[in-house]
Amino acid sequence: DAGITQSPRHKVTETGTPVTLRCHQTENHRYMYWYRQDPGHGLRLIHYSYGVKDTDKGEVSDGYSVSRSKTEDFLLTLESATSSQTSVYFCAISARDRIVYEQYFGPGTRLTVT
Amino acid sequence: AQSVTQLDSQVPVFEEAPVELRCNYSSSVSVYLFWYVQYPNQGLQLLLKYLSGSTLVESINGFEAEFNKSQTSFHLRKPSVHISDTAEYFCAVSETGANNLFFGTGTRLTVIP
Repeated sequence: DAGITQSPRHKVTETGTPVTLRCHQTENHRYMYWYRQDPGHGLRLIHYSYGVKDTDKGEVSDGYSVSRSKTEDFLLTLESATSSQTSVYFCAISARDRIVYEQYFGPGTRLTVT
Repeated sequence: AQSVTQLDSQVPVFEEAPVELRCNYSSSVSVYLFWYVQYPNQGLQLLLKYLSGSTLVESINGFEAEFNKSQTSFHLRKPSVHISDTAEYFCAVSETGANNLFFGTGTRLTVIP
């Protein structure tokens, strides 16, 4: 157990509404990531953070924003949800201050946009 | 640019038979390689990793993978599968010094009793 929780675990929302997903870690690691998982695409990086208030875009960042005001929390926001954002969202952490750079994943949030 | 190819989207295999899940990557620099496993309705768990040294790496539950630099491959093998190995397996690559992992599209392993 890598000490990562995600909330909510399931959410159904309507097109055009804002949605915020939360990732919380207890490991005090610098790097945190948001991925989406879709059939046939594997996992694709949305945004990542390398410290408080330090974030950068990933492969599929359009339509998403992130914030990190505390080391332990990384928020993903869909400003105006669309059906194409129906997906399973995973948060991950990486202890990049060590030589080993593997990532550890949370349990996921299943988001359905109707 | 990095990319990861898992050619087989689904692999059915009978219990106690051997299995190989294929992974090829493209990168112009040194890489770290990983296999993750995802059981139904769960997150991804690290199965094994290659960072440096011996090209053959093993997991605690009998899987092994071999890094082949000339063929840019990191295939996952198990000599005898169990029902509990039914899951989706993802290969991932990270260039040394990079922040991110790039994932393949996954291989769904189904073990048939």
